[in-house]
Order: sequence, then structure tokens, then C-alpha cells
Amino acid sequence: AQSVTQLGSHVSVSEGALVLLRCNYSSSVPPYLFWYVQYPNQGLQLLLKYTTGATLVKGINGFEAEFKKSETSFHLTKPSAHMSDAAEYFCAVRMFSGGYNKLIFGAGTRLAVHP
Amino acid sequence: DVKVTQSSRYLVKRTGEKVFLECVQDMDHENMFWYRQDPGLGLRLIYFSYDVKMKEKGDIPEGYSVSREKKERFSLILESASTNQTSMYLCASSPGQGYNSPLHFGNGTRLTVT
Repeated sequence: AQSVTQLGSHVSVSEGALVLLRCNYSSSVPPYLFWYVQYPNQGLQLLLKYTTGATLVKGINGFEAEFKKSETSFHLTKPSAHMSDAAEYFCAVRMFSGGYNKLIFGAGTRLAVHP
Repeated sequence: DVKVTQSSRYLVKRTGEKVFLECVQDMDHENMFWYRQDPGLGLRLIYFSYDVKMKEKGDIPEGYSVSREKKERFSLILESASTNQTSMYLCASSPGQGYNSPLHFGNGTRLTVT
């Protein structure tokens, strides 16, 4: 079965520290990968996406993610955390299933940023 | 900017009631989706639609139905609400069938069934 695994339901970092949110996927075909962010009391908004081409993808708010096929990973990073980055982050993979393409989400990682 | 509007931010309903959650998008997107979001489970797909009057079951369709009479509107129906349907419900839309088309989400409806 195709799936998405986010390692760590909660991550806490200091302001200014590196942010690393982990995502691994299982897919029998090259995937299309996404990271979404959800701020409190809001819907999800797209941070970045990988489709084809360059494996290092840059997104909004200084985030980036690297697609590593050999590791089936798509980890999200930011060099220096800001208080405003506190949110829940979801990794997702677009897969073809049951005759349609669907977006499958991981369970999410809640990022806390402390002073 | 794409706008996906969910008609209610919070809803409280009683067990056994029929519940309608409404979603409207303003960008002429072909595809619309309903997810529910629960802590530790992420988002799970309930139903989706790739065209007017067309619907397909997602991963957890039991206890739900949908209606898409117009392209811009996608309704989720809980035929007889139960307490285990207490959740955050998120509507989303996207253009076309392309794999690289991101979803645009509404702000969600938090439903409590008592």
C-alpha cells in the first residue's frame, strides 16, 4: 500500500535553530510530493512541491525540501526557525489509485518554536 | 487568489441529525475534495469529485454522502450524525487532473456531535 510517514508528531526548536521535519513515502512509481502548513484555526496552504527536475525544492517562508529517491524521503528544512513558523506541517504524496489520482497525507508534525 | 469557502466554522449537532457541510470555490476548478482531520491521523479522504454530478468514494466514505449539482459547490452530508464523526472537516479544490496540481483548502468546519 502506498503511504506517507512523518517521523515525530511533535518537534520543538529554539528560535534561530535549524528546522528539520522528516517525511518518508512508499510508492512503486515516481511520486509527486508536497509539503503543506496549517496555522492555528486555518486550512492548509502549500509550502512547496516536487514534481520532476531539480531534487532540491525551495518554497515559501524560507523552507526547502530535498527529494532523495534512494532513501524515499522528502524532508523539510529551514536554516533558522522563527516564532511565526509554529504550526502543523503535513507531507503529502500524489498517487494514482483506483483510477484517479489522489493526495495522500501523512499524520502531521506539530512544530513548536521557543525563544 | 483561489478562494475556497466553507459555510460554517463551527457546528454543534445532536446524534442522529442529518448534517450538511457546504463548500464553494470561486476558481472554476474541476476537482473538489472532502477530508476529515483528526489528531495523529492527518487528513483522510472521504469523497471527491472530478466533475459536476460525479462523485467517487475516498478512503473513509462510510456514514457520509456528497452532492455536486454545480461546479463551484460540493456538499458533504452526514446522513445520521454520530459522535465518532466529531472532527475537523476540510474542503479542497484543484484544477485539472494533473499530478502536480496542488490542492487549495478552505479554513475548515469543526463539527461536534453530542
